[in-house]
Amino acid sequence: DTAVSQTPKYLVTQMGNDKSIKCEQNLGHDTMYWYKQDSKKFLKIMFSYNNKELIINETVPNRFSPKSPDKAHLNLHINSLELGDSAVYFCASSQDQGWSDTQYFGPGTRLTVL
Amino acid sequence: QKEVEQDPGPLSVPEGAIVSLNCTYNSAFQYFMWYRQYSRKGPELLMYTYSSGNKEDGRFTAQVDKSSKYISLFIRDSQPSDSATYLCAMSATQGGSEKLVFGKGTKLTVNP
Repeated sequence: DTAVSQTPKYLVTQMGNDKSIKCEQNLGHDTMYWYKQDSKKFLKIMFSYNNKELIINETVPNRFSPKSPDKAHLNLHINSLELGDSAVYFCASSQDQGWSDTQYFGPGTRLTVL
Repeated sequence: QKEVEQDPGPLSVPEGAIVSLNCTYNSAFQYFMWYRQYSRKGPELLMYTYSSGNKEDGRFTAQVDKSSKYISLFIRDSQPSDSATYLCAMSATQGGSEKLVFGKGTKLTVNP
């Protein structure tokens, strides 16, 4: 059973398009996250939701909009995709929102913008 | 200067070697974590600590020196299965807001 799953695993699209990445966790966790890992492997948090409420919103272009329909899902919608958006996007979840709580990461979605 | 600095390597060692991975930081972080990331996989938490000193878990030892703002991960008797990218991460709660910063990761290869 996959604890944190993401779809799609790979996404190749043209500049200017709008795309969504979906994330689901079956661990019963209260907190979910989105991270971006760039080509230099630098991992940076983008958003954090706790019980469907936005907790962390780092400096991210407003073209990125997270949506949490319920505790188990956190989707990421990206408008007007740009070349610089190419990266691997990881979803993660943890029981609580404290950073000391173990985060479980999904397999990642590799986004390539042409 | 970045808040968290980590030597990206790559680091290549023979099987059985002791590996030392390091990060420095320049903010007031409270929690310190090490993640392991295999190629094309998500990071997985290896160890976390919040106090200065050593924390041991099997072949892994995490060391924190808050006075020098320096953390290390030691891997004893390294195995080829330890080949991965290791990321340090640090977190803090400041003024009601949370902050989490990752290092760039060090790519480790353990040769049989």
